[in-house]
Amino acid sequence: EIVMTQSPATLSVSPGERATLSCRASQSVSSNLAWYQQKPGQVPRLLIYGATARATGIPARFSGSGSGTDFTLTISSLQSEDFAVYYCQHYNNWPYTFGQGTKLEIK
Amino acid sequence: QLQLQESGPGLVKPSETLSLTCNVSGGSITSDTYYWAWIRQPPGKGLEWIGSIHYSGSTNYRPSLESRVTMSIHTSKTYFSLRLSSVTAADTAVYYCARHETGAFRFFGLWGRGTLVTVSS
Repeated sequence: EIVMTQSPATLSVSPGERATLSCRASQSVSSNLAWYQQKPGQVPRLLIYGATARATGIPARFSGSGSGTDFTLTISSLQSEDFAVYYCQHYNNWPYTFGQGTKLEIK
Repeated sequence: QLQLQESGPGLVKPSETLSLTCNVSGGSITSDTYYWAWIRQPPGKGLEWIGSIHYSGSTNYRPSLESRVTMSIHTSKTYFSLRLSSVTAADTAVYYCARHETGAFRFFGLWGRGTLVTVSS
C-alpha cells in the first residue's frame, strides 16, 4: 500500500497571500494524483487530477505540480472561501489511498 | 445529470453488519467506463477508500478491510451496496459512495452526500 504524507498538517495564511501544500508518496505514483477540497459538513470536491489538470469549474488560482513521489498544490491568492481541508489521493494502483489532509486556516 | 444517494441505518450495534446502498439516478450504472466506490470518513478524521466495484462484478477492496467487506451491484435496480461485517466503534464514520473511471483518470469525480453510520450498543 502506498502511503501518502501531507505537510504541513495545518497552514496559516492571510487572505490574498499564496499557499503551498505538499504531498509525498511512499513510492512513485507517476502523475496519478488528485487533490480535493473539503469544507466542514460538505462533500469533498475534486480540484486537480493528473497532478496538474484543473477539474471543471475550478478557478485558475488553484494549480498542481509534481510527478513521481512529490506533489504540490498552490493557491496563488487566497480567497475567504479557500479556507478548508485539502487532501491528496493517488490512483496509480490498488489500493487507492489518501493523505491525512492539510487544514488551511486564516492567519 | 447523474447523482448518487446513500441510504441505510444510521445506527449499528457492535459485532453486527453494516449495510448501505447507493442509488444511482440520472444515468446508467452499467457503463463500462466506471467503477462505483465506497469511501468513509471517521468524525474529525481523513478519507479512507473502502473498495470499488464494476458493473461486471469485478471488485477491489482495501486490504485491511477485505475480510469484512462485500460490495455488490444491482444493475436492474440501478444501485450498488456495501456490507461491512463485525463492526466496532472504529467503523463509525460518514460513508460516501462515489464514482471513478476505469481508465487513466481513476480519481473520484462524483460523490454522494454521505451518510453517518454510528456503531454503538
